[in-house]
Amino acid sequence: RKEVEQDPGPFNVPEGATVAFNCTYSNSASQSFFWYRQDCRKEPKLLMSVYSSGNEDGRFTAQLNRASQYISLLIRDSKLSDSATYLCVVTYSGGYQKVTFGIGTKLQVIP
Amino acid sequence: DADVTQTPRNRITKTGKRIMLECSQTKGHDRMYWYRQDPGLGLRLIYYSFDVKDINKGEISDGYSVSRQAQAKFSLSLESAIPNQTALYFCATSGTGARRWEQYFGPGTRLTVL
Repeated sequence: RKEVEQDPGPFNVPEGATVAFNCTYSNSASQSFFWYRQDCRKEPKLLMSVYSSGNEDGRFTAQLNRASQYISLLIRDSKLSDSATYLCVVTYSGGYQKVTFGIGTKLQVIP
Repeated sequence: DADVTQTPRNRITKTGKRIMLECSQTKGHDRMYWYRQDPGLGLRLIYYSFDVKDINKGEISDGYSVSRQAQAKFSLSLESAIPNQTALYFCATSGTGARRWEQYFGPGTRLTVL
C-alpha cells in the first residue's frame, strides 16, 4: 500500500459545481497535512494546511479524519481558474523526519 | 523578485557528466529541500537540510549529493548523470516552529540526460 494515495483523476466538472477530493495515508502517526496546488509544468504552491478541526479558506474546505486516515478537500462554486492538480502532503516527525507527496488529483473545470 | 530561485531552468546533458543545480532563497528560512518529480510518481524527496550544518538523505538520495553553502543556498549535484535522472527538480524552503512543514517551492529545473 502506498503511503499516500490519491485518485489521479481527471475530475471534469462544470463551472459552479462543488467537487471533493480525498487522500488516504497509511501511517497512523502522521502529524501534519497539507493541500498544494500545481499548475501544469509549474511549481507546487501551498493551498492550505489541514487542521484536526477542519478549516475553511473562502471556497475551499479541508478536513482531516484520523480514524479513517484520510484528508479531504472540498471546492465550492468551481472556477475555470481552479483547474490544476491538487497534491496531498503528509508529514511525520518522530525519530526521523518524513514528508510524502501524493501523485495528485487533476481537476478540469469546464465552461 | 521570486523568493526561491533555481538555476538553470533547463538543462540537457549527456550520460556521465557532472551536473550541479543551484537554489537560492530570500525568505530567511532555515530548512531547504530538493525533490524530483516524475510523471505518475509525484514528488520524491532527495535531500533536506534543516540548517547550514545539517544534511539528511531523503527517499531517493543514491546518485545525488548536496551542499549547503549558506542559509540561503542549497545545491544539488549529480556526480555522473544517467538517463533515469531525467526529471523535473524542485528546491523548496520552509521555516520553523508550527509552520515548519509549509514549503515554498522554486520554479523547477527541467533536466534531460541523454
